[in-house]
Amino acid sequence: DGGITQSPKYLFRKEGQNVTLSCEQNLNHDAMYWYRQDPGQGLRLIYYSQIVNDFQKGDIAEGYSVSREKKESFPLTVTSAQKNPTAFYLCASTKRNTLRSEGTEAFFGQGTRLTVV
Amino acid sequence: AQSVTQLDSHVSVSEGTPVLLRCNYSSSYSPSLFWYVQHPNKGLQLLLKYTSAATLVKGINGFEAEFKKSETSFHLTKPSAHMSDAAEYFCVGSIGGGGNKLTFGTGTQLKVEL
Repeated sequence: DGGITQSPKYLFRKEGQNVTLSCEQNLNHDAMYWYRQDPGQGLRLIYYSQIVNDFQKGDIAEGYSVSREKKESFPLTVTSAQKNPTAFYLCASTKRNTLRSEGTEAFFGQGTRLTVV
Repeated sequence: AQSVTQLDSHVSVSEGTPVLLRCNYSSSYSPSLFWYVQHPNKGLQLLLKYTSAATLVKGINGFEAEFKKSETSFHLTKPSAHMSDAAEYFCVGSIGGGGNKLTFGTGTQLKVEL
């Protein structure tokens, strides 16, 4: 079955360390996204990529980095520059839709909960 | 600019009674609108979507939503709540084209009591 796989489900990071969250999809979707979820704040966009080898900053990109070397994969690195990284991280993907008037729904992974220890 | 507003952060209902979760939107273009459900520590699952076809949209698990352009609303309803409906619900807007950016509401936590 097609879908999005995030790993690991739980991740612990020591202060000053970089960690990388994995996101893989086999839906043949062009666009992929990373969101951060904090209690009471909904989902905030970190980075997104509409095509391989290209990505754009979202609303809260500081302290994060991404790469998009393959269509299927969009890993997120949480760097030591991110001062408050403890959160639930969600990866999503969408089909590229050229119709201006119609958006397409996103498919989500099961999330990674990152905790700084 | 596009925005999505969920009017209630928490809704509590008794099992077997109707559910109403409210969502208003603003958009310069005709939007696509979605409702997603999230159970604790899980990803988001699509309940239903509106994409300019029928204004009354039926989704999974007995949920439906009606797009009302005059009221700029897309409220989610269910005739009879079940305990398993307890979760967080997100109203999401999207404008198509190459920049398919999603705009999320802040979520509504639905509690279902016996």
